[in-house]
Amino acid sequence: DAGVIQSPRHEVTEMGQEVTLRCKPISGHNSLFWYRQTMMRGLELLIYFNNNVPIDDSGMPEDRFSAKMPNASFSTLKIQPSEPRDSAVYFCASSWGKDNEQFFGPGTRLTVL
Amino acid sequence: KNEVEQSPQNLTAQEGEFITINCSYSVGISALHWLQQHPGGGIVSLFMLSSGKKKHGRLIATINIQEKHSSLHITASHPRDSAVYICAARQGAQKLVFGQGTRLTINP
Repeated sequence: DAGVIQSPRHEVTEMGQEVTLRCKPISGHNSLFWYRQTMMRGLELLIYFNNNVPIDDSGMPEDRFSAKMPNASFSTLKIQPSEPRDSAVYFCASSWGKDNEQFFGPGTRLTVL
Repeated sequence: KNEVEQSPQNLTAQEGEFITINCSYSVGISALHWLQQHPGGGIVSLFMLSSGKKKHGRLIATINIQEKHSSLHITASHPRDSAVYICAARQGAQKLVFGQGTRLTINP
């Protein structure tokens, strides 16, 4: 299995631009998680989906952030408009069922200038 | 105060030493996860436990539910064990709340 796939691996953009991060979970997994990691705050859960349905989005910072999961094999995290404080590494993870370990993707390093 | 606290934040040891990383949590949990983040940034799940002890190779994880405390031990440490170790408390079915991580450096 290829594991969780994220793209792009690195993104550099200017403040105000729209950013779209992509994630392909492990085939057969039915839960998908988006995390953000910064030096100041460490790892934080942004949102997670079960069977393509958003379950908990309480970690989404504000309305500039949105996430979708149109099917079982694809999810996006969009930031519009982006700000310098959004600079972080964004991880996607997936799992099977509700009580199992999560498998993390390699992350997308986002820099907003 | 963070809901999940790790200690120490940084740990440097010599190859072969026995390593202990501690994690305390103040929230109700359904399980406790230990993760390893490699210097290149990738995150790997090491353990998921809700009681007792688990062992995988030179790594051992324990949890005391009553004391809300977990430990990760590494026996016969090796430079390749150098990484950031993160504990995460699982609240409910799936939500993880993370500690700030412990940066471990093993010198040859």
